[in-house]
Amino acid sequence: DAGITQSPRHKVTETGTPVTLRCHQTENHRYMYWYRQDPGHGLRLIHYSYGVKDTDKGEVSDGYSVSRSKTEDFLLTLESATSSQTSVYFCAISDPEGGIYGYTFGSGTRLTVV
Amino acid sequence: AQSVTQLGSHVSVSEGALVLLRCNYSSSVPPYLFWYVQYPNQGLQLLLKYTTGATLVKGINGFEAEFKKSETSFHLTKPSAHMSDAAEYFCASNFGNEKLTFGTGTRLTIIP
Repeated sequence: DAGITQSPRHKVTETGTPVTLRCHQTENHRYMYWYRQDPGHGLRLIHYSYGVKDTDKGEVSDGYSVSRSKTEDFLLTLESATSSQTSVYFCAISDPEGGIYGYTFGSGTRLTVV
Repeated sequence: AQSVTQLGSHVSVSEGALVLLRCNYSSSVPPYLFWYVQYPNQGLQLLLKYTTGATLVKGINGFEAEFKKSETSFHLTKPSAHMSDAAEYFCASNFGNEKLTFGTGTRLTIIP
C-alpha cells in the first residue's frame, strides 16, 4: 500500500529464535498498529503506538514487544518465537486528529515458526 | 463489552445476485463503523465508513452500508455481484477510541 511498507514479506524461523518485523510509513501519521490475522479470529491487536516512544498493549500482546524510535518506523519483536505465533502480521497507520478515520494497512508479513 | 459480530463466516451468491453481508455491533457509545475488503494475499482496503451524518454510506466498487442504530447493525450490500467481488470482508469499529476492533470476517464466494 502506498505510504506504508512491511518487511520482510515472508519469513520462516525456528522455535525459540528472536524475530523482528518492521513497519515503515511515509505519511507522518501519529498512530501505528500491529495486528495478527488468524482464521476464525479476524484481526487482533497486538500493540499500538500513539507517538515516538509511546506504545501500549493490545488484546494479544503476550510474547511480543514493540519499539518506536522514529515517527516513521514501528518494530514488532517476538522475543522467542513459538509455533502459536505463526500468523500473518499487518501493520496499520491512522491519523484521527487529521480526520483520517480508519486505517491504512500494509501488505502483511507471513511468519512461519517451525 | 464492546464487540463487532459478523454473521456468517462464508457467504455464497450467484453472479448478478444481491450481496448482503451482516455486521452487528455492541457499544455504549456512538461508534464509527467501517467495512474493509481483503483480496487473497493482500492487505485490507477500506470499502466505506460511517462516522456521522447520513446513515446510508456509499463506498467503492458499488458497495453501500446503512447504519441502523435501533438494530445496532451496519450491513454491507451490493445490488449485483461480480466475480471480482470474491474476497474476505471485515466489519470494524473504533468504539470512540483510536483502536479498531474487527469482526471475524466473512468470505464471499461468487458462483458463476
